[in-house]
Amino acid sequence: AQSVTQLDSQVPVFEEAPVELRCNYSSSVSVYLFWYVQYPNQGLQLLLKYLSGSTLVESINGFEAEFNKSQTSFHLRKPSVHISDTAEYFCAVSPVTGTYKYIFGTGTRLKVLA
Amino acid sequence: EAGVAQSPRYKIIEKRQSVAFWCNPISGHATLYWYQQILGQGPKLLIQFQNNGVVDDSQLPKDRFSAERLKGVDSTLKIQPAKLEDSAVYLCASSPGLRQGGYYEQYFGPGTRLTVT
Repeated sequence: AQSVTQLDSQVPVFEEAPVELRCNYSSSVSVYLFWYVQYPNQGLQLLLKYLSGSTLVESINGFEAEFNKSQTSFHLRKPSVHISDTAEYFCAVSPVTGTYKYIFGTGTRLKVLA
Repeated sequence: EAGVAQSPRYKIIEKRQSVAFWCNPISGHATLYWYQQILGQGPKLLIQFQNNGVVDDSQLPKDRFSAERLKGVDSTLKIQPAKLEDSAVYLCASSPGLRQGGYYEQYFGPGTRLTVT
């Protein structure tokens, strides 16, 4: 079985400051890793994913995440946040075999302050 | 390309009543998922369809929840009778197919917010 832990339920940060949203996972099998973003009253959107290869993955809007197998982590970072980044962020894992179901963390609410 | 459509967007019912949600996936997507997202929690998979067959319904409370995907296109999720703890956002997602040595992204609809009073 797999589980995902997002220890920070809320993260307030000032505009243009850096931010890190933490994600740790537990799995006995190899997994794919994902970050999804959910804006108010909208569905989830894929932000970035790790499937294989380089452990550092980037999104088009400046977010990046690094897969650390030894620490079973996939933390999300952005060097300078904008007001528009205010949203809820979910970390998820999916086994690379089987029915490919997604297991989501409880989410981190990022609030960017002016 | 149109996204995943869901209706209604909001629904308020009393406990013990029944309710149904509808989902229309992205055209051509073979796999459809229903998730339950309780406030303060991440989405939890309820049921996964491949075309009109069920792939995984291990977390679906079958005594009160049912889902169908007739003709392998749109899908309905029903709750009968509803309980207070069913208050949640119900998300529908679709993907081109089950992975077979590759990866398919899941695309999510806006969700239906259910309040049971």
